[in-house]
Formats: sequence, structure tokens, C-alpha cells
Amino acid sequence: QKEVEQDPGPLSVPEGAIVSLNCTYSNSAFQYFMWYRQYSRKGPELLMYTYSSGNKEDGRFTAQVDKSSKYISLFIRDSQPSDSATYLCAMSGGSNYQLIWGAGTKLIIKP
Amino acid sequence: DSGVTQTPKHLITATGQRVTLRCSPRSGDLSVYWYQQSLDQGLQFLIQYYNGEERAKGNILERFSAQQFPDLHSELNLSSLELGDSALYFCASSVGPFFTSGDNEQFFGPGTRLTVL
Repeated sequence: QKEVEQDPGPLSVPEGAIVSLNCTYSNSAFQYFMWYRQYSRKGPELLMYTYSSGNKEDGRFTAQVDKSSKYISLFIRDSQPSDSATYLCAMSGGSNYQLIWGAGTKLIIKP
Repeated sequence: DSGVTQTPKHLITATGQRVTLRCSPRSGDLSVYWYQQSLDQGLQFLIQYYNGEERAKGNILERFSAQQFPDLHSELNLSSLELGDSALYFCASSVGPFFTSGDNEQFFGPGTRLTVL
């Protein structure tokens, strides 16, 4: 079993919809939870990060962490075609804080 | 533009050959990370260097090696290439050795696309 599980999709939704992207993990030592966005053939870029549990909001994006369920989510409100990309979760903590990556979910926003 | 540069952008070579990928980190960043991304495997962490020293190793094959030079640029050497090595290779850099805050995020370069024929 992988330390971080993420559904690769693709996830296709109409423009304007609320998108929910999720990852589950097994290592209870993880403390930092990140979401990276990767456009086709480009390098990933950090979208948001959260420390420990709770919510964090940045514009149309909200990151949620539920450490009791070992489950993290990224919500995108009022989704736009420009949000079409692959979203990767990553997390770190424990003895060496090495980043552990999810497989990435491909998101397609249809105009 | 993340500030991380990678050369070359594209590389086409034959099986059995050896290639070298180069990465220059952002100014001030001491950590360099190498990743492999193929269609069916996602983003795979290969190796990390911090200030010239190897800090962490991931799923790096014995045919692959890397180093970080005194000027902090890094090279990834891939030898005895196989068809399955065809992938995007990303370099990333960060200020410190590991993520403990948003000030230490990894910035990714544009990648080198390797095609092994």
C-alpha cells in the first residue's frame, strides 16, 4: 500500500462547478500538506500548503486536512477552464520531512 | 518562470547510451531534487542534494547517478539507457533541506524530456 493515495482521474466537470480533489495517507507523522498544480508539460507549482489540521482558503481554493481520518481535500469554487491541470498532493513530517507525493489527479473543466 | 533552469529541453537517444541532464537552482537555494515523471508512474522522487551532500534517496536506479557541484548546480547521469527510461525529468530547488514552512517550498524547473529509441 502506498503512503499517499490519490485517484488519477481524469475528473471532468462543467465550468462553474465546485471541484473536490482528495488524498488519503497512512503515516500519522505527516504534518505538512501541500497541493501542487501542474499544467501539461510544465513543472509543478505550489498552490497551497496547510500545517496540521484545519482549513485554509485562498481565493477560489480551499484546502482541508482531517488528520483523524488521514484525509486531505482541495476544493475549487467557480471552476474555470484555466483550472484544467493535474493536481498533486504532497505531504511531509516524521523523522526526515521528506516530501511524499500522490499520483496526481487530472482535472478537466469543460466550457 | 520559477528561476530553476534545466538543460537540455529535449533529448533523443538510443538504448544503451549515457546522457547527462543539468540543473541550475534558484539563486540562494541550497537543495536540489531530481524527479522522474512518466505517464504510468506519476512523479517519482529520485534523489536530493543539500549544499553538495546527498541528503535523501528515493527510487533511483543503480544505472542513475547524480552530484551537486560547489556552485550548487547539479547533474543527473543516466547510463545503459532502456526504453522504459523515457520520461520527463524534473529538477526542483529549495532554500533548506526539507519542508517546514511555505518559505521552503520546492520550485520546479521546466523539465527535460528524454526519449530513448
